[in-house]
Amino acid sequence: DAKTTQPPSMDCAEGRAANLPCNHSTISGNEYVYWYRQIHSQGPQYIIHGLKNNETNEMASLIITEDRKSSTLILPHATLRDTAVYYCIVRVNTNAGKSTFGDGTTLTVKP
Amino acid sequence: DAGVIQSPRHEVTEMGQEVTLRCKPISGHDYLFWYRQTMMRGLELLIYFNNNVPIDDSGMPEDRFSAKMPNASFSTLKIQPSEPRDSAVYFCASSLALAGGYTDTQYFGPGTRLTVL
Repeated sequence: DAKTTQPPSMDCAEGRAANLPCNHSTISGNEYVYWYRQIHSQGPQYIIHGLKNNETNEMASLIITEDRKSSTLILPHATLRDTAVYYCIVRVNTNAGKSTFGDGTTLTVKP
Repeated sequence: DAGVIQSPRHEVTEMGQEVTLRCKPISGHDYLFWYRQTMMRGLELLIYFNNNVPIDDSGMPEDRFSAKMPNASFSTLKIQPSEPRDSAVYFCASSLALAGGYTDTQYFGPGTRLTVL
């Protein structure tokens, strides 16, 4: 699986959009970009994933650059409950879902 | 669905004792994963099963660790004997095999916080 690089921490004001970047310059053509988050003391929670098109669901939007070397997770209206560690993972979809978690980005949403 | 269920949620034991962690995956899921999370090493994959069969145990730290999946609805991770450096949060996750050899996302349980004194 390709390695990802994320900033260690970010702050965001409550109600504003949180934009979390991820670099995955060695991504292969068959690797997907997945995002999970982990709220303190809980298990990681799936947010969204995509291959090359932008994706949106009820939680977030995922923007993948045309060359697929980077992506951005967007939380459109961050709340205090979005404070968590966000993990960007790239993996093929045929490896049993086995995922390698890096250090992630600690997002702190402030009032 | 109740999600992935783990027990106990917290376990405190003394060095040398046997510890057994339990996991019930989401019904119908084909894959089950055991992870360990510590401040120093982050979230590490220990082992995963497909249809109750262990597929990759390369992440299991040493022979003191063993995992079993006797049926589709139950798995255990055992540490014998336990050591203080085994203190961590242990997560179980499950996922669904899709058509064409693809795999759905993983769903994680709440974890078991293990403290070995």
